[in-house]
Amino acid sequence: EADIYQTPRYLVIGTGKKITLECSQTMGHDKMYWYQQDPGMELHLIHYSYGVNSTEKGDLSSESTVSRIRTEHFPLTLESARPSHTSQYLCASSDTGTGEEVQYFGPGTRLTVL
Amino acid sequence: DAKTTQPNSMESNEEEPVHLPCNHSTISGTDYIHWYRQLPSQGPEYVIHGLTSNVNNRMASLAIAEDRKSSTLILHRATLRDAAVYYCTHQTGANNLFFGTGTRLTVIP
Repeated sequence: EADIYQTPRYLVIGTGKKITLECSQTMGHDKMYWYQQDPGMELHLIHYSYGVNSTEKGDLSSESTVSRIRTEHFPLTLESARPSHTSQYLCASSDTGTGEEVQYFGPGTRLTVL
Repeated sequence: DAKTTQPNSMESNEEEPVHLPCNHSTISGTDYIHWYRQLPSQGPEYVIHGLTSNVNNRMASLAIAEDRKSSTLILHRATLRDAAVYYCTHQTGANNLFFGTGTRLTVIP
């Protein structure tokens, strides 16, 4: 069973607020990911990290930023939230050691910006 | 970029087998084929993966074509809890997975 956690699960916030979405995993995985998914649509990779102090931009451009100071923790920050940021944000992690890179996903954070 | 083609939707009767097809013509020789599913209001869940040989696990079976340009996820007896969006994917250049729109499986009681 995957041990990857995201908080909060739901967030409703006003325009212009700074928000941080938390993601933690207890599996010791090096690689972590953030995806953005609108209802009924595909997942878009917005950020990923190979390990501590590594962050990379994904396929979809995003105004969010990420940090990776500890292996288990990969928070995503929006400095100034806008209604266009309303979406579901999914965090995942994988063990790169085997080369097969099976990803384990958290339950997601559903963000609504008013 | 890794691209996969799947039917938008499929239906199955409960307790019947389901075969979910996927074309992945851009796959390279060392890329694993992965299948995930996403239940309503949840994050995607790993189902199965394979490289060349057919694979079985407690959730499903994966049949991979000899040329590896297509695969089929097999659910041996569909249950109502199997209703989900099923994603077929494989690795991109950075060893990331590209998730398309998937196949929405409806299971009819």
